[in-house]
Amino acid sequence: ETGVTQTPRHLVMGMTNKKSLKCEQHLGHNAMYWYKQSAKKPLELMFVYNFKEQTENNSVPSRFSPECPNSSHLFLHLHTLQPEDSALYLCASSHGGLAGEAGELFFGEGSRLTVL
Amino acid sequence: GQNIDQPTEMTATEGAIVQINCTYQTSGFNGLFWYQQHAGEAPTFLSYNVLDGLEEKGRFSSFLSRSKGYSYLLLKELQMKDSASYLCAAMDSNYQLIWGAGTKLIIKP
Repeated sequence: ETGVTQTPRHLVMGMTNKKSLKCEQHLGHNAMYWYKQSAKKPLELMFVYNFKEQTENNSVPSRFSPECPNSSHLFLHLHTLQPEDSALYLCASSHGGLAGEAGELFFGEGSRLTVL
Repeated sequence: GQNIDQPTEMTATEGAIVQINCTYQTSGFNGLFWYQQHAGEAPTFLSYNVLDGLEEKGRFSSFLSRSKGYSYLLLKELQMKDSASYLCAAMDSNYQLIWGAGTKLIIKP
């Protein structure tokens, strides 16, 4: 139990499908993040929410749409994805303060996405 | 641009010591982080350095030299369970983490 739960753990979808990834944190943190992890590449930050407000959107294509209804839940809505979007999508949370606290991320197990 | 460099893969023997190096170039600096990620699992936080010097935490130690843009993670008395990827990340002036691609550490008996 990591304190951050992601569902589903595995997802296979066609390019025309619409699906959503869900993340829930039970740690009382203020900040939540979506990262993309591809083999042998650095973690790519996609979105950041602080106190439910989106503070970062790192030039992510509009086919990825985040939603943060409250400080404990984060969604990533997926629509008309491309095969190159196949990757592990990691959710994380932190206290959202500065430096040390903000950099100590608690990750979920990830959602392995395959786009056919 | 901002960049983190760390070796792609390292091999070490059970019971030995291994040092994983990381060099960074960032716009401003607010600390250096190390994470461990076992295959198929979530990354987990190991250490945070913001001042020069060595921080020891059990079998793991992390070192930082801000003037050289350099850090290392030192693992002592290696155990088979230490086989994992080790991710280095530097925090820039905007408090964003800049990540390396990770070092896959293979422990042999």
